[in-house]
Amino acid sequence: SQTIHQWPATLVQPVGSPLSLECTVEGTSNPNLYWYRQAAGRGLQLLFYSIGIDQISSEVPQNLSASRPQDRQFILSSKKLLLSDSGFYLCAWRGPGTEAFFGQGTRLTVV
Amino acid sequence: AQSVTQLDSQVPVFEEAPVELRCNYSSSVSVYLFWYVQYPNQGLQLLLKYLSGSTLVKSINGFEAEFNKSQTSFHLRKPSVHISDTAEYFCAVSEGSPGGYNKLIFGAGTRLAVHP
Repeated sequence: SQTIHQWPATLVQPVGSPLSLECTVEGTSNPNLYWYRQAAGRGLQLLFYSIGIDQISSEVPQNLSASRPQDRQFILSSKKLLLSDSGFYLCAWRGPGTEAFFGQGTRLTVV
Repeated sequence: AQSVTQLDSQVPVFEEAPVELRCNYSSSVSVYLFWYVQYPNQGLQLLLKYLSGSTLVKSINGFEAEFNKSQTSFHLRKPSVHISDTAEYFCAVSEGSPGGYNKLIFGAGTRLAVHP
């Protein structure tokens, strides 16, 4: 069966520090992969999605970037965090014609 | 481009009362529609989905949603809610076209609060 791993669960980082969040999927190949951000009291904002290795689409201009170095690995990064980057980050995968499956999320607090 | 509007940010309701959470979407092509539920500090779990076929879809825990193409809606309903249904509910859409399929867009969410 397919599983998705996302870590860390919580993270507190100072302003200006770098960020790296990792997401890996098991039990499937060539999935669509997604990064979403959920700010307090707001919905899910699609940040990036990827349909294959090194194929990344960015939805919102921002301080973040994403990479997909392997088929089942999706990384969210920042060189210098801003206070506004705080939020709940969710990774998801999706096969053809199906729903998305989500990781447990990372709570990022930038201080 | 597709978009999703959830008309109610919060819905308070008493236990055992019926509830409807509204969702409207915008798309010029065929769509796939989803409802997800999120409990505090957790990821999202699929509640139900519409891909094709019958416009009324049901979940195992009593929720149902009806795809209405003419009104571009996918409202979620439950005839009798429980305290345990308290959570945030998200409506999502992706297009059925090969290019549009890849983007999965969510609404802002509706917080359902069930009171005893």
